[in-house]
Amino acid sequence: EVRLVESGGGLVQPGGSLRLSCAASGFSLSAYDMHWVRQRKGKGLEWVSSFGTTGDSHYPGSVKGRFTISRENAQNSLFLQMNSLRAGDSAVYYCVRSSNNGVFDSWGQGTLVTVSS
Amino acid sequence: SYELTQPPSVSVSPGQTATIACSGDNLGERYVSWYQQKAGQSPVLVIFQDKKRPSGIPDRLSGSNSGDTATLTISGTQNMDEADYYCQAWDSGNVVFGGGTKLTVL
Repeated sequence: EVRLVESGGGLVQPGGSLRLSCAASGFSLSAYDMHWVRQRKGKGLEWVSSFGTTGDSHYPGSVKGRFTISRENAQNSLFLQMNSLRAGDSAVYYCVRSSNNGVFDSWGQGTLVTVSS
Repeated sequence: SYELTQPPSVSVSPGQTATIACSGDNLGERYVSWYQQKAGQSPVLVIFQDKKRPSGIPDRLSGSNSGDTATLTISGTQNMDEADYYCQAWDSGNVVFGGGTKLTVL
């Protein structure tokens, strides 16, 4: 069974940093493109970052230069390092797997990040 | 940047057909996926590559994509179909989501 479990969310002050983790089981994370998608309270889904099987990474302009996605194959885990956090980054962050055709076929349960003083 | 537009809400009576549109420039030239998110839950893939259903998704849900509009159709809508629905496509290596449509089954 494919399972994605996020952790690392919490309360952080504006300007602070946080590192999210996503533990994968039931498949080898290195064989799939992996992503982070966030959802602000009461709002829609927003793509945050992607990590490809070849090690390439992509970000939207809203987080580029502040967020870094990475993968640790030995731990079968995905990470998201978030720096210079702003109130607008407050959201539930989902770890998501995509199949070879770019379809988001498995989602974690999400971890809540709150940026507030 | 590429944008996908969805109506904020759609209402349907039980047993009737619900249609949720997703519009974008020449969207028919891209593959579209649809995700269902019930209250308090994570999103679930329900349609991919415009019209394919993952295993376990009932055939009451169907998709199409042509021109500038992709459509998710739910036939014989049930109370359990009440949820938020998001369309998604790719644009130059970036992921694009529609704003989401809240389906209410009255």
